[in-house]
Amino acid sequence: EPEVTQTPSHQVTQMGQEVILRCVPISNHLYFYWYRQILGQKVEFLVSFYNNEISEKSEIFDDQFSVERPDGSNFTLKIRSTKLEDSAMYFCASMVYETNTGELFFGEGSRLTVL
Amino acid sequence: ILNVEQSPQSLHVQEGDSTNFTCSFPSSNFYALHWYRWETAKSPEALFVMTLNGDEKKKGRISATLNTKEGYSYLYIKGSQPEDSATYLCASDDNYGQNFVFGPGTRLSVLP
Repeated sequence: EPEVTQTPSHQVTQMGQEVILRCVPISNHLYFYWYRQILGQKVEFLVSFYNNEISEKSEIFDDQFSVERPDGSNFTLKIRSTKLEDSAMYFCASMVYETNTGELFFGEGSRLTVL
Repeated sequence: ILNVEQSPQSLHVQEGDSTNFTCSFPSSNFYALHWYRWETAKSPEALFVMTLNGDEKKKGRISATLNTKEGYSYLYIKGSQPEDSATYLCASDDNYGQNFVFGPGTRLSVLP
């Protein structure tokens, strides 16, 4: 069964370093998302991406964050200069949006620890 | 950004009990309501997508209803089993898939 894959599963980085989280969405999916969950808190929407551009982004998704789909398969989230509060589980999701039946498929997450 | 709420935050039931929990969401600009089941150390798994007021969906012992006018959805589990233990997330979509917002989840523990 097709699945969304994410790498790395866990990354530890120093504050101020750049981090790139990678996702390979399901191949025929058209919409792509990043979510994060800080330990003990709720799942937060970061950004959605369609037709090679950002569709929506939350207040969390500030200038330190960027997304791109460089080669038509990978969907990456870059954090330019990590802060301690960026430590979280980051989930990628993708979806084929047919009328009224959109369903998100999630990857297993990338845990980011910022020291 | 939408504000999606869920209650209760956590729930402990005995095996065999039936249970239900609530998701509330803004009723304006509503497009779809999703329920997901999230087991620890796994990724969220889709249960239902509902779009129409009065929709009811069922999958085995789990069912859900939707009231878009008042902005709530109920998830019901009949005859809970230990394997139903998970966090149940709802998500509201107000922009044709471009803005899914999740609630905080209800953590269900089913005790044998």
